[in-house]
Amino acid sequence: QQQVKQSPQSLIVQKGGISIINCAYENTAFDYFPWYQQFPGKGPALLIAIRPDVSEKKEGRFTISFNKSAKQFSLHIMDSQPGDSATYFCAASMGGGNKLTFGTGTQLKVEL
Amino acid sequence: ETGVTQTPRHLVMGMTNKKSLKCEQHLGHNAMYWYKQSAKKPLELMFVYNFKEQTENNSVPSRFSPECPNSSHLFLHLHTLQPEDSALYLCASSQERTRANEQFFGPGTRLTVL
Repeated sequence: QQQVKQSPQSLIVQKGGISIINCAYENTAFDYFPWYQQFPGKGPALLIAIRPDVSEKKEGRFTISFNKSAKQFSLHIMDSQPGDSATYFCAASMGGGNKLTFGTGTQLKVEL
Repeated sequence: ETGVTQTPRHLVMGMTNKKSLKCEQHLGHNAMYWYKQSAKKPLELMFVYNFKEQTENNSVPSRFSPECPNSSHLFLHLHTLQPEDSALYLCASSQERTRANEQFFGPGTRLTVL
């Protein structure tokens, strides 16, 4: 049973546009929600993370929106750039533990 | 070397071969992980080591055998693999018992089983 569902599987956005990737989770015990970015030939790298005590977290052009009641969280990339083209994974963990449950990934392509 | 390094970066092996993947972290972390990454699937956590002790084995077949001799090194010993084991194997590390939860990944070993 997949505990973190991610959509869309792939996304094409024009340069300067907003990229939005969504994730939904089932386990209400999850209390840490990171997003990882992976470029070809590289391992995933932490991009931004949120805990459920806030509804939004912004770091530069990247924002996480969190809806606890709906058990959903999303990544917004403002002013998307070709260099943002990568695969993005949402994840979740609970209780300060180190077991991350990942989504299936979204392949983002930002076109000129 | 900085961060998390993995060797080899690419490996092709037959089903009867025995090989090992190596991971080294230069971050002073005390937890290390093996993940399997297959196309269109979530990253699958395979093993977790905290302070050199295995704390998680995610129902991984015995043909995968991890070894953690110290908190900086992690190995994955492979034997009699199947073609469906072909995937990208990622190593990660983190500093346990902090609130950060951030895991730092290596570049992975691309494994092909013929």
